[in-house]
Amino acid sequence: NAGVMQNPRHLVRRRGQEARLRCSPMKGHSHVYWYRQLPEEGLKFMVYLQKENIIDESGMPKERFSAEFPKEGPSILRIQQVVRGDSAAYFCASSHNRDPTQETQYFGPGTRLLVL
Amino acid sequence: AQSVTQLDSQVPVFEEAPVELRCNYSSSVSVYLFWYVQYPNQGLQLLLKYLSGSTLVKGINGFEAEFNKSQTSFHLRKPSVHISDTAEYFCAVSDPQGAQKLVFGQGTRLTINP
Repeated sequence: NAGVMQNPRHLVRRRGQEARLRCSPMKGHSHVYWYRQLPEEGLKFMVYLQKENIIDESGMPKERFSAEFPKEGPSILRIQQVVRGDSAAYFCASSHNRDPTQETQYFGPGTRLLVL
Repeated sequence: AQSVTQLDSQVPVFEEAPVELRCNYSSSVSVYLFWYVQYPNQGLQLLLKYLSGSTLVKGINGFEAEFNKSQTSFHLRKPSVHISDTAEYFCAVSDPQGAQKLVFGQGTRLTINP
């Protein structure tokens, strides 16, 4: 059973460009979470999605950031007009749909975004 | 709102020595507690979790943690560490009643010296 997949693993963008980060949850998991890890810091929650629904986006910056989890295909975290402060590791996690409050969140390897 | 404090940013230990990584949390409601490990350039792997029941929780790789409600702590321990335990360790909490999001501490870098 493959784990959580994220791609690309490394992404380099110039200021003003768009970054698209993809996450495929574990098989059978319908809950996806995105976290951001700034250098020398812990992970910060960004958004929690189920298929075709955003459940909690309280950690998402108000501008330039969006996330989706379509019926088919991976979850996408999109950052428009990137700035240097967006440079970070972005982690995706997934959990099963039985009882998310008790289910373990399984993390992917992360996408390391560098904005030049 | 919940918060997690990991009191030590770095912990150097000699191989085969015992180690304790400290974690304190703040919450107005009961919580679930987790310890994750992150090896260099990798994602997070669950070490152990406390949901309810026995306050002493055993995890993978010989780690264990004890939930202390009165001290709002969830310290991680291992009686004898190995070089391969060198990694970043994160304590996290979640709210059983509400949002599923994890709130993480700042992390503790464990370095094992030969």
